[in-house]
Amino acid sequence: ELKVEQNPLFLSMQEGKNYTIYCNYSTTSDRLYWYRQDPGKSLESLFVLLSNGAVKQEGRLMASLDTKARLSTLHITAAVHDLSATYFCAFSTYNTDKLIFGTGTRLQVFP
Amino acid sequence: DAGVIQSPRHEVTEMGQEVTLRCKPISGHNSLFWYRQTMMRGLELLIYFNNNVPIDDSGMPEDRFSAKMPNASFSTLKIQPSEPRDSAVYFCASSLGLEGSDTQYFGPGTRLTVL
Repeated sequence: ELKVEQNPLFLSMQEGKNYTIYCNYSTTSDRLYWYRQDPGKSLESLFVLLSNGAVKQEGRLMASLDTKARLSTLHITAAVHDLSATYFCAFSTYNTDKLIFGTGTRLQVFP
Repeated sequence: DAGVIQSPRHEVTEMGQEVTLRCKPISGHNSLFWYRQTMMRGLELLIYFNNNVPIDDSGMPEDRFSAKMPNASFSTLKIQPSEPRDSAVYFCASSLGLEGSDTQYFGPGTRLTVL
């Protein structure tokens, strides 16, 4: 079964703190995506990770990919309120454009 | 670039009525996807097209749902007859559909309420 597990599902963190969201996927893939969704809005692409060991950073967010462990992480550094949103990871299988999405991690950053 | 365009943005209808959702993908994109998002079931892929041809419709809930893509710049998702359990946000997304990086770009969504 093609499946993505994210944890935690909910994350409430204080501004200035660091935390990591984990994404495990069920089958071999070398393409992993992270999206952000603000409440009532659409999904916005954050990162595309295309190979084992890939690391990408944008501002306070850093994503990495370990294809052997079938694990991707999204690390948040010194969180700020503007990062409050739901974060989804997704992977694609070979020879298809289809993405399998995780359930999402709802992040709330408070002062 | 205008991004993926969806219409209407909001639709309220009564049970039994026909509903048609519309999508214009990003120009030059070869793949188009229809998703449904609810609190209970999360984000579900309903169907996707590549070069206007349906590739995978295994997520379409039942025969009441149908999707078409008559040309590269337009797709519809139709529900007939609609039921209250169809209430959800429906997203359309498009991608280049190339090997290596097929990031999907999502439209703003259509919020459907079936009374």
